[in-house]
Amino acid sequence: NAGVTQTPKFRVLKTGQSMTLLCAQDMNHEYMYWYRQDPGMGLRLIHYSVGEGTTAKGEVPDGYNVSRLKKQNFLLGLESAAPSQTSVYFCASSSLAGATYEQYFGPGTRLTVT
Amino acid sequence: AQSVAQPEDQVNVAEGNPLTVKCTYSVSGNPYLFWYVQYPNRGLQFLLKYITGDNLVKGSYGFEAEFNKSQTSFHLKKPSALVSDSALYFCAVRPGSSNTGKLIFGQGTTLQVKP
Repeated sequence: NAGVTQTPKFRVLKTGQSMTLLCAQDMNHEYMYWYRQDPGMGLRLIHYSVGEGTTAKGEVPDGYNVSRLKKQNFLLGLESAAPSQTSVYFCASSSLAGATYEQYFGPGTRLTVT
Repeated sequence: AQSVAQPEDQVNVAEGNPLTVKCTYSVSGNPYLFWYVQYPNRGLQFLLKYITGDNLVKGSYGFEAEFNKSQTSFHLKKPSALVSDSALYFCAVRPGSSNTGKLIFGQGTTLQVKP
């Protein structure tokens, strides 16, 4: 049981390049989330999904797109990377069962945009 | 606006002494409250949660937290700190009105435990 995994762990992009971050969970969780973590700002929600085929905007969605074609996967895309998107990105998932909404986090992806 | 505040950027404690990391919140409805810990270059790990019931909740690694509804606080505590407790701690809250599982996170408090 791997929990939540993220690919890649590190990436350096040039301004204007695109990339996709992959999040996978093997806990059969309904809900999945993408956050970014910046110093002194805690975690900010980018996009989230409450089920396969559904996505919604979070607190800071601009410049990002997401897709959830399969229940276990949640993809975060950057179409045209900007230096302001330099950050550590975390994926998380949670279960509808029990309705406690405890989130389980992946190890993170460190992205640098030059 | 709904929010979570961790008023201290950093807390310094000597090993063996008790520690407190503070958290206050402002949300609608009855909140679900959480504490997470993040070690360097790692993801967040769940420590404990308050949903309902006893205001004092116990969690992993000897941590506990006290829910105080009148003060809208959920402070994290440990009777005797260890050097290995040094990490970044996040308080989070799920608003009572939310059915999406979304959490609101505080900005984090760095705990430094010195030998």
